[in-house]
Amino acid sequence: QVQLAESGGGVVQPGRSLRLSCATSGFAFSDYPMHWVRQAPGKGLEWVAIVSHDGRDKHYADSVKGRFTTSRDNSGNTVYLQMNSLRAEDTAVYYCARDIFTGSSGWYGPGDHWGQGTLVTVSS
Amino acid sequence: EILMTQSPATLSVSPGERATLSCRASQSVSTNLAWYQQRPGQAPRLLVYGASTRAAGFPARFSGSGSGTEFTLTISSLQSEDFAVYYCQQYHNWPPYTFGQGTKLEI
Repeated sequence: QVQLAESGGGVVQPGRSLRLSCATSGFAFSDYPMHWVRQAPGKGLEWVAIVSHDGRDKHYADSVKGRFTTSRDNSGNTVYLQMNSLRAEDTAVYYCARDIFTGSSGWYGPGDHWGQGTLVTVSS
Repeated sequence: EILMTQSPATLSVSPGERATLSCRASQSVSTNLAWYQQRPGQAPRLLVYGASTRAAGFPARFSGSGSGTEFTLTISSLQSEDFAVYYCQQYHNWPPYTFGQGTKLEI
């Protein structure tokens, strides 16, 4: 079955960097775009980034643009989120999610399979 | 950026009753609208996409409707496991893929 597992979260000081990973299995990873979504403690969902199935197309929320970078390794079935210049407001559980549409559709949609999330805490 | 507004913020309903949740977009999103269910301590689960297509694993008591700017999620005959937070999300104009602020469905 489809499985996604995030890792790499932890406590980090403001201004520092962290890289999250999302390991996947159970589906043709290279066919699907992948999202990152975060949720601050006690708050709602915030979309963060998306990477196309082939890694060539990427989009970001304004709140992280220029600081976060997403990438993927299709040979290793893993997607990454590199987070630089971290701020207190980046504190959240970070989820990866598979897009419901394959890359051949030419359209991005909602996430139909999600990982359990990894907690990032930015604090001095 | 398209703003998504959900109402009410909290909905108190008894088991067996019907719940109606609303989501409004600041501009038309056609039917590019999804609903998610999130139980405490769990990841969100896709519930509805295309405004009215139910995702795998959800029973027929869940139904989505609407188009343009007004959308509704209806849960008929609430079961105990349905009490959760529900989010809508548009995927018509992106980035960003904006979420509503959520509706908490409580007993």
